[in-house]
Amino acid sequence: GESVGLHLPTLSVQEGDNSIINCAYSNSASDYFIWYKQESGKGPQFIIDIRSNMDKRQGQRVTVLLNKTVKHLSLQIAATQPGDSAVYFCAENGDTSGTYKYIFGTGTRLKVLA
Amino acid sequence: DGGITQSPKYLFRKEGQNVTLSCEQNLNHDAMYWYRQDPGQGLRLIYYSQIVNDFQKGDIAEGYSVSREKKESFPLTVTSAQKNPTAFYLCASSHGPDQPQHFGDGTRLSIL
Repeated sequence: GESVGLHLPTLSVQEGDNSIINCAYSNSASDYFIWYKQESGKGPQFIIDIRSNMDKRQGQRVTVLLNKTVKHLSLQIAATQPGDSAVYFCAENGDTSGTYKYIFGTGTRLKVLA
Repeated sequence: DGGITQSPKYLFRKEGQNVTLSCEQNLNHDAMYWYRQDPGQGLRLIYYSQIVNDFQKGDIAEGYSVSREKKESFPLTVTSAQKNPTAFYLCASSHGPDQPQHFGDGTRLSIL
């Protein structure tokens, strides 16, 4: 089923430090995962994706790690900057490969302290 | 620049009124989606369309309607049957299934 929370967890990090944002996904059959960044009043912005045949994928300053054993996804942001402050959430493609329907997490708010 | 444009940014609805939210994309994507976002909740799928002239209900389609007459456009109508329409509405598009969805900047709908 879907994981929907009422309270948004917050992660506060010092500028320049690394950030790790976690996501526990709900369906063991999911094989495609996406991380999004959403700034206040804007639409979600694609950051990085990963398929289940990989454990790790790197982008520019970001790394996504996938642990299928415990159904856990993490997003690592290196050298966090003030512009990284936003809500980050993950999405999974559920139990149907080739689906157009995704399950979205509720998100984590990242606050970057100067 | 390619992207998704939603309009208006803010919309107000009176009781008993239908309102239509616009979504246009120039990414040449086949698939388009409408989501509803409420505070503290994940995105919930209202409708999606895989191809022109075809669309499917999502998880919360009641009180909403869509059309897909052109590849670039996927308007959403919030009807008077939707009793709790106040929310942030997001439109997205993608090349197809299991592909990243690209979002517009949303329309915030409120009740007068």
